[in-house]
Amino acid sequence: GENVEQHPSTLSVQEGDSAVIKCTYSDSASNYFPWYKQELGKRPQLIIDIRSNVGEKKDQRIAVTLNKTAKHFSLHITETQPEDSAVYFCAASITGNQFYFGTGTSLTVIP
Amino acid sequence: NAGVTQTPKFQVLKTGQSMTLQCAQDMNHNSMYWYRQDPGMGLRLIYYSASEGTTDKGEVPNGYNVSRLNKREFSLRLESAAPSQTSVYFCASSLDSGVYGYTFGSGTRLTVV
Repeated sequence: GENVEQHPSTLSVQEGDSAVIKCTYSDSASNYFPWYKQELGKRPQLIIDIRSNVGEKKDQRIAVTLNKTAKHFSLHITETQPEDSAVYFCAASITGNQFYFGTGTSLTVIP
Repeated sequence: NAGVTQTPKFQVLKTGQSMTLQCAQDMNHNSMYWYRQDPGMGLRLIYYSASEGTTDKGEVPNGYNVSRLNKREFSLRLESAAPSQTSVYFCASSLDSGVYGYTFGSGTRLTVV
């Protein structure tokens, strides 16, 4: 099956700086890549996703990039705020199959 | 809309006891999933149901059974609980399997002593 690796496992940034989280996947057939944010004690929530026919997608301060050749995708958060502090999970999916999640990145934004 | 509703929110079991975790969604989603979340290991798929009437094993199915009761409900059963099953369990649903993002339930924190 698919194997998704996520780095770094922890990340601390100063408020206002940018944060980047990277994931790699193993199965070139994967074609859907969502990102989830999980605040402490809460459920994971979808924040952005990208499909394999698109190289980049933006939603306000959040962007995701996909490099199909290298089989990696990244989450970029600009102008970070304390409320961005959470655990972020990437995932990969092959259409018609289940999701495979990375192990998570704990992001801390220092005021 | 309630989204995905899981019950119970917390449960303590003794080793060998059985229990069923309930999950229901009101979004007319076709696919439903059960994940467990353990520290440092992310989310691991236990079982999923791509559509009503079908169920399939995920990455860590041993010790669990599931029932897709109807399109709305997908239950997870632990027949004989073990301490290794101490975890946070999340139910999720999506419009179609692997094509759209999940909506997660609020989770069940299960402790087996």
